[in-house]
Amino acid sequence: DADVTQTPRNRITKTGKRIMLECSQTKGHDRMYWYRQDPGLGLRLIYYSFDVKDINKGEISDGYSVSRQAQAKFSLSLESAIPNQTALYFCATSDFQGRYGYTFGSGTRLTVV
Amino acid sequence: AQKVTQAQTEISVVEKEDVTLDCVYETRDTTYYLFWYKQPPSGELVFLIRRNSFDEQNEISGRYSWNFQKSTSSFNFTITASQVVDSAVYFCALVHRGKLTGGGNKLTFGTGTQLKVEL
Repeated sequence: DADVTQTPRNRITKTGKRIMLECSQTKGHDRMYWYRQDPGLGLRLIYYSFDVKDINKGEISDGYSVSRQAQAKFSLSLESAIPNQTALYFCATSDFQGRYGYTFGSGTRLTVV
Repeated sequence: AQKVTQAQTEISVVEKEDVTLDCVYETRDTTYYLFWYKQPPSGELVFLIRRNSFDEQNEISGRYSWNFQKSTSSFNFTITASQVVDSAVYFCALVHRGKLTGGGNKLTFGTGTQLKVEL
């Protein structure tokens, strides 16, 4: 099994729909992150969580919410999807200081029509 | 604040050529880590290397090498004798501890360089 698992891998949804992207990890790390990738913009941080009770906004959190259900699970929700949220979404986890790198999931390709 | 700049949007080379991908970073923190990731057409992110701010020793791994220069805030990546399988988007990234500026412990990415290696 992968260290970081994202579901679904691909999703097409309609404008205005609520959608949840799920992420689970087996690394045993406290820190988890959600990033969004758009062509030419690299990966930008949406939300991050340093432990179950610590959730923080990243640079582009508007239109998104998250839930940290357990140490191993971190979900990203789009309450009312809009077309400019079409992107590739990555979940990641890291150890306390990130010294040993960040482990990424395989990504969720979301299309909002 | 921290920032990573990859000025080269796209590079095209012919197989067996050497190619260098540039990365310039900004941070006021003295403790930070730099990373390179590879994103092949399949989309996943593949970790290549991590370097801490106290270790300026260059590193070589097979055809890959990295040149870290704090004096110019650069962490450049060279592929020697490029191959078609090297075709991918390459990201440079930075995380700082936030001791001086706050907001640390989050990975910040550059915008990536698309490398195309042709026969």
